[in-house]
Amino acid sequence: ELKVEQNPLFLSMQEGKNYTIYCNYSTTSDRLYWYRQDPGKSLESLFVLLSNGAVKQEGRLMASLDTKARLSTLHITAAVHDLSATYFCAVNYQLIWGAGTKLIIKP
Amino acid sequence: NAGVTQTPKFQVLKTGQSMTLQCAQDMNHEYMSWYRQDPGMGLRLIHYSVGAGITDQGEVPNGYNVSRSTTEDFPLRLLSAAPSQTSVYFCASRHDEGSGANVLTFGAGSRLTVL
Repeated sequence: ELKVEQNPLFLSMQEGKNYTIYCNYSTTSDRLYWYRQDPGKSLESLFVLLSNGAVKQEGRLMASLDTKARLSTLHITAAVHDLSATYFCAVNYQLIWGAGTKLIIKP
Repeated sequence: NAGVTQTPKFQVLKTGQSMTLQCAQDMNHEYMSWYRQDPGMGLRLIHYSVGAGITDQGEVPNGYNVSRSTTEDFPLRLLSAAPSQTSVYFCASRHDEGSGANVLTFGAGSRLTVL
């Protein structure tokens, strides 16, 4: 059974700092997704990673995938308050989801 | 282009009542799905469909029923509501491109409370 674990589940940080969210999964997968959810809102796609070593960047967010380690990271550079949200990773064609990382960025 | 439209946004039911959550998409997506989101548990797949007339169960199908008579619509029926079905429900759709990116587009969500 494919399991997806995110850590940390909760992160409070100051603006301007860097941090990384981790997504581990238990069996092989050919794809990994990152989504963002603002409080009370729907989910929005951030990145799709389709191969080992894939790296995608958008603004202050950068996602990478290591299929051999079954690990993806979402790195936040010089965090700003607007990035406060819950971030989910999902794995595989049928999308098995992690529990989400609630990120709070304090001004 | 409306994307994925869910109705209602909020609903309160009594135990034992039945209801249907509506989902419609205008992107000609083959794949449609229903998820429930509970605190601390991420999203769990209830049912999905890869095309009109084809549906299948996801991770947590018990107590729910679906049908797909058209490409656009994928309603979710609660047969006899239970408090354990209190949750936020999301409908999502995507193209079914095999090796493609297959990014899901989500509806706005339906918050259901069962008393």
